[in-house]
Amino acid sequence: GQSLEQPSEVTAVEGAIVQINCTYQTSGFYGLSWYQQHDGGAPTFLSYNALDGLEETGRFSSFLSRSDSYGYLLLQELQMKDSASYFCAVRVDGTGGGNKLTFGTGTQLKVEL
Amino acid sequence: EAQVTQNPRYLITVTGKKLTVTCSQNMNHEYMSWYRQDPGLGLRQIYYSMNVEVTDKGDVPEGYKVSRKEKRNFPLILESPSPNQTSLYFCASSRGGLQYEQYFGPGTRLTVT
Repeated sequence: GQSLEQPSEVTAVEGAIVQINCTYQTSGFYGLSWYQQHDGGAPTFLSYNALDGLEETGRFSSFLSRSDSYGYLLLQELQMKDSASYFCAVRVDGTGGGNKLTFGTGTQLKVEL
Repeated sequence: EAQVTQNPRYLITVTGKKLTVTCSQNMNHEYMSWYRQDPGLGLRQIYYSMNVEVTDKGDVPEGYKVSRKEKRNFPLILESPSPNQTSLYFCASSRGGLQYEQYFGPGTRLTVT
């Protein structure tokens, strides 16, 4: 089976930079995704990393190290609207290829003034 | 507007009474999936479908059935619901697979008494 670990809570101030780490143990690994979910809402896709390195999309960046089974989500210039839960998820082997997704239990990010 | 719709949004039912939660997407996506979300457990994949008539189990398929007779629809069937299936359910779709952005429906909150 798969297991993922991420911190349960992170608090930061507006304008700061925060990093949410995710370590995983899995077989048949294809890639690592990140999702954001506001209270009462549906998850929304943030990023996907299949290869080692940093991917940047606006204020958000995501990093993957396959050899270390580790990734992180970096949020810069934090805004109050970034207060949400963030989930890492591993894409793993399933029928026809990497078609299964296992999520971590989520990190609650609180952005304070 | 590109979207994933689920019905019903809220449902309270009794143990053993068969129910179906519908999911429809208007983006011509090949990949569709069902997840349940429970406090402290994150999202867990129930079933997924790579295309019409191609479905497979996720991490928690027990007690659920799915079918994919049309590309746009992916209903979730609970033939004999039990209280441990009380949860928040999300349907999602993506073009081609999990390396692409998954779009989530608004969620269905199910209570089984």
